[in-house]
Amino acid sequence: NAGVTQTPKFQVLKTGQSMTLQCAQDMNHEYMSWYRQDPGMGLRLIHYSVGAGITDQGEVPNGYNVSRSTTEDFPLRLLSAAPSQTSVYFCASSPSRGQPQHFGDGTRLSIL
Amino acid sequence: AQTVTQSQPEMSVQEAETVTLSCTYDTSESDYYLFWYKQPPSRQMILVIRQEAYKQQNATENRFSVNFQKAAKSFSLKISDSQLGDAAMYFCAYRGSQGGSEKLVFGKGTKLTVNP
Repeated sequence: NAGVTQTPKFQVLKTGQSMTLQCAQDMNHEYMSWYRQDPGMGLRLIHYSVGAGITDQGEVPNGYNVSRSTTEDFPLRLLSAAPSQTSVYFCASSPSRGQPQHFGDGTRLSIL
Repeated sequence: AQTVTQSQPEMSVQEAETVTLSCTYDTSESDYYLFWYKQPPSRQMILVIRQEAYKQQNATENRFSVNFQKAAKSFSLKISDSQLGDAAMYFCAYRGSQGGSEKLVFGKGTKLTVNP
């Protein structure tokens, strides 16, 4: 099992550019989430999904879009990158609410 | 909204000794789930232990155990016989059981140093 796969692992963008962070899981998990991790802040939830076609906002959703057209994929889109979005981004999935989340290896994103 | 507080930004322990990391949380729910995750320098997020709030018994996983005090809303992690490989950031996390509580809420983390 590949688990949760995030691509790319590293990315540098210029302010104003857009991009999509990819996340795929092969465990047939219903729940998927995107987090960002900043120094001293822990992990903060950006958006999450409880199944295909269903998404909702987390704690810090501004500047990001998500969609969930399939169970496997949950891409995160940065609409117009800003330096404040420089961070490490994690995707995670779980089969149900009570089960632990499985995390991808993260994407380090720098915006100049 | 639920919040998770880790009051110790940094802790250190001697190899082979025991250390306890603190975590408190705030919730109005009676049923929920609590987790401890470890993040070594490799950046991976690794599950250490999981506790279901309706279970009285404290969870244990080898050298890792928790002290779950539901009334006090406290969920501390004890690491026994500390090893150099235990050095990492440790995050406490909360997840509710009711609709709208699917989010996993993290504390800000405790950096654990293990001294040889």
